[in-house]
Amino acid sequence: RKEVEQDPGPFNVPEGATVAFNCTYSNSASQSFFWYRQDCRKEPKLLMSVYSSGNEDGRFTAQLNRASQYISLLIRDSKLSDSATYLCVPLGSGNTGKLIFGQGTTLQVKP
Amino acid sequence: NAGVTQTPKFQVLKTGQSMTLQCAQDMNHEYMSWYRQDPGMGLRLIHYSVGAGITDQGEVPNGYNVSRSTTEDFPLRLLSAAPSQTSVYFCASSYGRRKDGYTFGSGTRLTVV
Repeated sequence: RKEVEQDPGPFNVPEGATVAFNCTYSNSASQSFFWYRQDCRKEPKLLMSVYSSGNEDGRFTAQLNRASQYISLLIRDSKLSDSATYLCVPLGSGNTGKLIFGQGTTLQVKP
Repeated sequence: NAGVTQTPKFQVLKTGQSMTLQCAQDMNHEYMSWYRQDPGMGLRLIHYSVGAGITDQGEVPNGYNVSRSTTEDFPLRLLSAAPSQTSVYFCASSYGRRKDGYTFGSGTRLTVV
């Protein structure tokens, strides 16, 4: 099983829609999780950190389900500017510095 | 505060040549990493470091060498470039605390012909 698995998509949604992505991870000892956003040919940028049951920042909500070993990212009221690839990253216990990224989920928001 | 600076931004190498990709950060981050990203694929970890003098291999270390003599710098050396190393290379750094993500440089686009 891969360390991190994401549905690559693409998810095509209209402006204003609510969309959710899931990410499953194999290391049950992972304590923290990150969602990154990556625009085409650009560097990834941190969107949100998750280290309890979840986190919310404006239109973005991340939820963690440790029992099922997945985290989700919910985007409400989608904007055209939300079009990007969203990367899930679990941080293993002890923070060894070895950060393994998922392949990412691509979101296309259409007018 | 420049963040993470990578040089060069673009490079073309001939097969067999060697070169060093530079990465510097001015945030006093202990943790630094190198990733490569190929078209349509995710980021793959090449090497990483948790402090000066400490480095370790990631998922795809073959053909690459690193050292960490200072907190600020984490250069990546290609020993003998091959076309399979054509990729975009990203350097990243972090404080390493549980809530801290990594800050990425803008990348080096490398083509090996």
